[in-house]
Amino acid sequence: TQLLEQSPQFLSIQEGENLTVYCNSSSVFSSLQWYRQEPGEGPVLLVTVVTGGEVKKLKRLTFQFGDARKDSSLHITAAQPGDTGLYLCAVGDNYGQNFVFGPGTRLSVLP
Amino acid sequence: DAGVIQSPRHEVTEMGQEVTLRCKPISGHNSLFWYRQTMMRGLELLIYFNNNVPIDDSGMPEDRFSAKMPNASFSTLKIQPSEPRDSAVYFCASSTRLAVGADTQYFGPGTRLTVL
Repeated sequence: TQLLEQSPQFLSIQEGENLTVYCNSSSVFSSLQWYRQEPGEGPVLLVTVVTGGEVKKLKRLTFQFGDARKDSSLHITAAQPGDTGLYLCAVGDNYGQNFVFGPGTRLSVLP
Repeated sequence: DAGVIQSPRHEVTEMGQEVTLRCKPISGHNSLFWYRQTMMRGLELLIYFNNNVPIDDSGMPEDRFSAKMPNASFSTLKIQPSEPRDSAVYFCASSTRLAVGADTQYFGPGTRLTVL
């Protein structure tokens, strides 16, 4: 059983469109992170959310942590080709001893 | 800062050969992580170190895999003997402290391993 699920698995959109991707679990976490990975590179941290209901903005990216701290969403406004990549959510397990990544959403923004 | 450095960037070897992957973490970082990424299994944590000491190696798939961190600026991941199913991209990451899941991990560019 996957600790984290992400949806959709793949997303292809036109430049300028808005989109939302999701990260879900049946477990409660003290914090959750979003990373973006571009082809041929390692993941890069975008944000860490720690408080239920928390909303963080990073330019055109809006991140929300669910009230129950079991899920999170990432919304991109007016997507650009530079947003293309694999978006990964990640959490530490409840024992603080392991770090688990979701399977990722692969986003392609077409010019 | 040069970031996390990994070598080699690409490795092609034959089944049964020994493979050694190398990592230099960011100077001053106390924690180091080794990951493996495949299309089928995604990004998996293999092992992590804090202050050069292995903390959790439960993600290491088999005894064929071993990792060492002889000092704060160098770590190796060794596979002996290698098998085709070990083909993957292996990432090293470092962070300033062992706050797993809450601290920023900085990833290297990865080593793409192909075992024929």
